[in-house]
Amino acid sequence: AQSVTQLGSHVSVSEGALVLLRCNYSSSVPPYLFWYVQYPNQGLQLLLKYTTGATLVKGINGFEAEFKKSETSFHLTKPSAHMSDAAEYFCAVSEGDMRFGAGTRLTVKP
Amino acid sequence: SAVISQKPSRDICQRGTSLTIQCQVDSQVTMMFWYRQQPGQSLTLIATANQGSEATYESGFVIDKFPISRPNLTFSTLTVSNMSPEDSSIYLCSGGTRQETQYFGPGTRLLVL
Repeated sequence: AQSVTQLGSHVSVSEGALVLLRCNYSSSVPPYLFWYVQYPNQGLQLLLKYTTGATLVKGINGFEAEFKKSETSFHLTKPSAHMSDAAEYFCAVSEGDMRFGAGTRLTVKP
Repeated sequence: SAVISQKPSRDICQRGTSLTIQCQVDSQVTMMFWYRQQPGQSLTLIATANQGSEATYESGFVIDKFPISRPNLTFSTLTVSNMSPEDSSIYLCSGGTRQETQYFGPGTRLLVL
């Protein structure tokens, strides 16, 4: 069965700094991979997804992620953090059923 | 994409009572799902809501506790029955396909006293 590990339950960056949120997955078949963001008191919003094709995926709000099969990773990055990026981020993998990671809380310091 | 709404957005309930949460999708989706998100934790799939037939429950969740209906392709309900404080959680509805993108509602925040 597929699974997801998000490294780091909390990540803190300064405004303008690089954001890197780590996600490793386990899957027996080529996976579909997702990043969702959850702002306080809201549901989950899709940031980006990888299904097939280009391994570098661009999403909303300046985020992107790269699928690396050899490393079984799908890390999320953003070159310059904004205060509005503060939220909970979830990586998910699907090979039938969708499984979510434990989440990473991103804090952005002024 | 799909836009999903849920009602109520939050509620405070007494133990032993039941609450029914409604989920409405603005377009027809193949599948609808119900998740639970306990405070500070990730999402756990409760069940897949199947149109016109019984829901498919994940391990640890049973129909008597979480009856689900899906009378058509755009609407589903989840009932949390005989509630206890341990049921305090966020309940999220999603729509989409099992393997590809799921779109989420804003969630229902439930507090059981």
